[in-house]
Amino acid sequence: NAGVTQTPKFQVLKTGQSMTLQCAQDMNHNSMYWYRQDPGMGLRLIYYSASEGTTDKGEVPNGYNVSRLNKREFSLRLESAAPSQTSVYFCASHFGQLNTEAFFGQGTRLTVV
Amino acid sequence: QKEVEQNSGPLSVPEGAIASLNCTYSDRVSQSFFWYRQYSGKSPELIMSIYSNGDKEDGRFTAQLNKASQYVSLLIRDSQPSDSATYLCAFRGILTGGGNKLTFGTGTQLKVEL
Repeated sequence: NAGVTQTPKFQVLKTGQSMTLQCAQDMNHNSMYWYRQDPGMGLRLIYYSASEGTTDKGEVPNGYNVSRLNKREFSLRLESAAPSQTSVYFCASHFGQLNTEAFFGQGTRLTVV
Repeated sequence: QKEVEQNSGPLSVPEGAIASLNCTYSDRVSQSFFWYRQYSGKSPELIMSIYSNGDKEDGRFTAQLNKASQYVSLLIRDSQPSDSATYLCAFRGILTGGGNKLTFGTGTQLKVEL
């Protein structure tokens, strides 16, 4: 049982390059999230998908796009990477009810130079 | 005002002491509250959840919720060096368009000293 799997674990991009962060969960969860974590800033929500077929902006969506490919997969795309997007990115999922635990992937450490 | 406020610390306590971590939130319709622990370089892991006013105990951990005062706290008894980590407070509230989202505080760094 893998839980929430993110790929890649590490990535270095040049300014202006694009890339897609992949996230997949095998727990049959309805809701999935993308967060970024910067020193002193905590976890900030980028985008979320309450259920398959829906996506919504979070706190810091600028510069990102997402796709809820199916119930299992939720990808995050950086179309033109900027140094300000250097961060650790976490994907999370849960069943969707209020009183349910969210599970996190292992994170992707992204550096934009 | 931030939705969730936490003292960033570091909070230093001696081994065996009680560590007290606090969190206040601004969203009055928040329904569910969570404490996550995050070790350096790792992903957050859930240690406690609490949904109604009062105390909830699980081993050495006690979560306390006061919805009227809009705060939630975490007590760690008999603190151990392995408890040294960042503790993230989070709440989940209902969205006007349906669904819900999880909002995190900035975290409090706890250091348990020998």
